[in-house]
Amino acid sequence: GESVGLHLPTLSVQEGDNSIINCAYSNSASDYFIWYKQESGKGPQFIIDIRSNMDKRQGQRVTVLLNKTVKHLSLQIAATQPGDSAVYFCAEKTSGTYKYIFGTGTRLKVLA
Amino acid sequence: DGGITQSPKYLFRKEGQNVTLSCEQNLNHDAMYWYRQDPGQGLRLIYYSQIVNDFQKGDIAEGYSVSREKKESFPLTVTSAQKNPTAFYLCASSINSGNTIYFGEGSWLTVV
Repeated sequence: GESVGLHLPTLSVQEGDNSIINCAYSNSASDYFIWYKQESGKGPQFIIDIRSNMDKRQGQRVTVLLNKTVKHLSLQIAATQPGDSAVYFCAEKTSGTYKYIFGTGTRLKVLA
Repeated sequence: DGGITQSPKYLFRKEGQNVTLSCEQNLNHDAMYWYRQDPGQGLRLIYYSQIVNDFQKGDIAEGYSVSREKKESFPLTVTSAQKNPTAFYLCASSINSGNTIYFGEGSWLTVV
């Protein structure tokens, strides 16, 4: 199937290095944020989430940082592996609503 | 195996034809969603349902219809009124409309 990420910004990193993927969110009222990973031709997979009462949250090899002052979210992947190659996008939501706003995504390429 | 199952994975539609995409979940989630994904764009909400027998239009509902007769099923019909239906369609669900959403593997629809 055709890729849905043909014209996305691309981040290329060497295998074993750390990756940082950024997302500028749009709504200052947003208080819940999610990072998804989407491999070619597949559905998005939940990676990690964070609520606005936190600045940082860590998972396995991933860390999400939230800067509410400048409406910025980042995803850090430690010791990037070939299997991390995918499109990563963020999603934001406001409490009490059902509607998520999704970013367009960044393609991560891991170089061997 | 728990999850969200979409079928078919690939579907071809002739001009003037209605087609239906299936979405089934066994996660016991109340809320279900349909999104459309186009190259270089964030996910756009077509329809969502908070509970059985209830659904609301999303941002791009024109040319689409849904039903929610059972908690586990939320089929999407792409009607002939949808003039540009070629896209990747994603079904998602969440425990309720305020929680994290999880996605199925997607269905590719192409007009021939």
